[in-house]
Amino acid sequence: EDQVTQSPEALRLQEGESSSLNCSYTVSGLRGLFWYRQDPGKGPEFLFTLYSAGEEKEKERLKATLTKKESFLHITAPKPEDSATYLCAVRSNAGNNRKLIWGLGTSLAVNP
Amino acid sequence: GAVVSQHPSRVICKSGTSVKIECRSLDFQATTMFWYRQFPKQSLMLMATSNEGSKATYEQGVEKDKFLINHASLTLSTLTVTSAHPEDSSFYICSANGPGDTQYFGPGTRLTVL
Repeated sequence: EDQVTQSPEALRLQEGESSSLNCSYTVSGLRGLFWYRQDPGKGPEFLFTLYSAGEEKEKERLKATLTKKESFLHITAPKPEDSATYLCAVRSNAGNNRKLIWGLGTSLAVNP
Repeated sequence: GAVVSQHPSRVICKSGTSVKIECRSLDFQATTMFWYRQFPKQSLMLMATSNEGSKATYEQGVEKDKFLINHASLTLSTLTVTSAHPEDSSFYICSANGPGDTQYFGPGTRLTVL
C-alpha cells in the first residue's frame, strides 16, 4: 500500500538554526514527490516536485532532495517567516494516478 | 501563474440548508480538480476527484449524495454540501491540476454549520 510518513511531527528552531525535515515513502512506482507549505487557515502553497533519486531543487532557504526511499527538506538559516506546516505527498503509478498520497506534515516554528 | 481561487472564503449556515463552494483556476485550464477536507491540526483528506465533463470519483466513505460535485468547465468546479449539519463544519480546500502536472490549491473555505 502506498504510504507517506513525515518526521518529526513538530520542530522548533531558533532563527538561523539549520535543520532538515524527513519524508519517507513507499509507493508502487513513483511519479513525483511534492513538497508544500501550509500556513494556518490557508491552502497549501506548492514548493517543489522531485521525480528521480538524486534530484535536488532549491528555493531561497529551502532545498529538497530525493532518494529511492525518502526525501529531505533542508532549511538553511531559517527565519520566523518560515514557520508553517510542511506537507509531503507522492503520486504513484497505481489507480487514480493524478491523486496524491499525503503525509501528516511537520509543523515548524522558528523563534526570533 | 497557476492561481486557484475559492469562493466564499467563509460561510455560516443553519442546519439543513445547502451550501455551494466554487473553485476556479484563474490562469490555466484544469481537466482535473480535487476537493479536500481538513480538520484542525490534521492533514488533507481527499474527498473526490472532479473531471471536466464527467462524473466525479468519490473516495471511500464520502457520501456522493451529500457532497455534490460539478465540473462543468475547464476552469470551474463546484462543491455543494446538501442538508448541512454541524458535523459537516470543516475547512474545505480545492486544488486544480495545472502546469507541470502539479496540484495548485485554492485558499480554502471555512464552513460553519449552526
